[in-house]
Amino acid sequence: QKEVEQNSGPLSVPEGAIASLNCTYSDRGSQSFFWYRQYSGKSPELIMSIYSNGDKEDGRFTAQLNKASQYVSLLIRDSQPSDSATYLCAVRNDYKLSFGAGTTVTVRA
Amino acid sequence: EAGVAQSPRYKIIEKRQSVAFWCNPISGHATLYWYQQILGQGPKLLIQFQNNGVVDDSQLPKDRFSAERLKGVDSTLKIQPAKLEDSAVYLCASSLVVAEETQYFGPGTRLLVL
Repeated sequence: QKEVEQNSGPLSVPEGAIASLNCTYSDRGSQSFFWYRQYSGKSPELIMSIYSNGDKEDGRFTAQLNKASQYVSLLIRDSQPSDSATYLCAVRNDYKLSFGAGTTVTVRA
Repeated sequence: EAGVAQSPRYKIIEKRQSVAFWCNPISGHATLYWYQQILGQGPKLLIQFQNNGVVDDSQLPKDRFSAERLKGVDSTLKIQPAKLEDSAVYLCASSLVVAEETQYFGPGTRLLVL
């Protein structure tokens, strides 16, 4: 079983729609959860972090965490063409960060 | 504030050759990470340094990969001899301390082994 699994893509959404990304993790002791955005040919950049159950909103992004279900999600509202990228879910346990394989999102104009 | 610097940006070698990558972290960042990202996969941690000491190298293929961080600043990752499956992007990241949540990534070195 992979440590971090993401829903397989690619995900294509029309401009202005909501993109929904899902992630599950295997280690129940995981403490911190992150979403990174990676544009093609570029390095990952942190866009959201979440540490406790519930929702966390930052602009058009909302991260949701459910530790009982070992589930993290990211919602992108009012999707823009500039949101087209691969989104990586990352989970931290002690000092180690484990990444999922990523979900590629394409926003259609 | 200058970001994480890496060089070279691209490298093409033949299998069984050796190669070295260099990373200069953000000034003052004590923790440095090397990740391997194979096409279509997420980054995989190879080695993590806290100053010049190794925190975790459990996923580093030690028969061919080595890394050092002399003086707790710059770091070098070496592969000797390279295999076809080593073709990947090698990402260096740094953070203030081990517990620092935000890791800042460099631009990466894209390695192709023929």
